[in-house]
Amino acid sequence: DAGVIQSPRHEVTEMGQEVTLRCKPISGHDYLFWYRQTMMRGLELLIYFNNNVPIDDSGMPEDRFSAKMPNASFSTLKIQPSEPRDSAVYFCASTATPVGPGELFFGEGSRLTVL
Amino acid sequence: GENVEQHPSTLSVQEGDSAVIKCTYSDSASNYFPWYKQELGKRPQLIIDIRSNVGEKKDQRIAVTLNKTAKHFSLHITETQPEDSAVYFCAARIQGAQKLVFGQGTRLTINP
Repeated sequence: DAGVIQSPRHEVTEMGQEVTLRCKPISGHDYLFWYRQTMMRGLELLIYFNNNVPIDDSGMPEDRFSAKMPNASFSTLKIQPSEPRDSAVYFCASTATPVGPGELFFGEGSRLTVL
Repeated sequence: GENVEQHPSTLSVQEGDSAVIKCTYSDSASNYFPWYKQELGKRPQLIIDIRSNVGEKKDQRIAVTLNKTAKHFSLHITETQPEDSAVYFCAARIQGAQKLVFGQGTRLTINP
């Protein structure tokens, strides 16, 4: 398997524009997570899905952020409208339902810069 | 909800010396504690983990200890090498939930 695949790797946009980040989890993994990484706040969990259903979106900062998982192999994180404070690296991660501890596999991340 | 505190935020050690990073967690229901290593510009990757029914676990030069009573756990790296330079994150997961709550990270620098 190629691992968790994210696109784009880098995105530079202007304030007010819509941003869509994409993620393909590892095949067979039934959990998908979106994390945001900044220097100030570290790795923050935004939302996670189980079997394509959102389970916990308490980390989504505000209504400008939305996430979907239309099928087991694809998820999007959308920011509309984007603001400079949204600049961060956004990681997607997946794992399979563990009997014991389950390793979280991260994608390479999408570095977002909002000017 | 769970809260994980990690210290120190930066750590610099001489090559060959040991490094220790400490974390505390708030929810006594947490039962799984992984450590991730993130090299510059790369993704976080699991290096070692420990479950709440174990007090210590070792894997070559790295070890993790867990004190459930005090709700803290630590990463120990011995005989440090330049390739150990990275940001290290601890995390905790509450029993029955799947989400990991991460600490703020420790930037470890190994000086030659």
